Amino acid sequence: NAGVTQTPKFQVLKTGQSMTLQCAQDMNHNSMYWYRQDPGMGLRLIYYSASEGTTDKGEVPNGYNVSRLNKREFSLRLESAAPSQTSVYFCASTRIDRADEQFFGPGTRLTVL
Amino acid sequence: GENVEQHPSTLSVQEGDSAVIKCTYSDSASNYFPWYKQELGKRPQLIIDIRSNVGEKKDQRIAVTLNKTAKHFSLHITETQPEDSAVYFCAASPGNQAGTALIFGKGTTLSVSS
Repeated sequence: NAGVTQTPKFQVLKTGQSMTLQCAQDMNHNSMYWYRQDPGMGLRLIYYSASEGTTDKGEVPNGYNVSRLNKREFSLRLESAAPSQTSVYFCASTRIDRADEQFFGPGTRLTVL
Repeated sequence: GENVEQHPSTLSVQEGDSAVIKCTYSDSASNYFPWYKQELGKRPQLIIDIRSNVGEKKDQRIAVTLNKTAKHFSLHITETQPEDSAVYFCAASPGNQAGTALIFGKGTTLSVSS
């Protein structure tokens, strides 16, 4: 079991470029989440997917889009990156019988110049 | 929506001392309160959690207490060791349904000196 995996681990973008962060889980979890972590701000929810085929906005969705490709995969897309999106991005997932116990991926460190 | 406040933001203790981190929440519907430990450059890891039907839970040197009336919960670490040094996050969640999001506090950086 790899758990929750994320690619890439690191990425540097120029302002205006686009990219997709990938997340996959092999635990047969139903729900998946994207958070961003900034110094002194804790983890803030960007988007989440309660189940395959559904997505909802979290606390800070502006500038992002998501796709729940299938039960395993949940991607986060930045269409036109901005320096304010420099952050560490974490994906998480939860199992159906313990929907509140979240398992995190290793994170993607993104820098936008 | 839910709002979680966490204090202190930094905490320095000597090895062997106890450390206490406190969180308050605003949504009375919240009923799940996990604590995560994050070491430098690593992912958050769940260390202990408590649900609103219990007041205290212990796991070896760590314990969590919950006061639902006052809407606050605390993490207690006894006999601290240098490997306890990390950032600790509290969180609150309104339920056990699929897709329930966690609302996190801003974190406490714990430093344990030997």
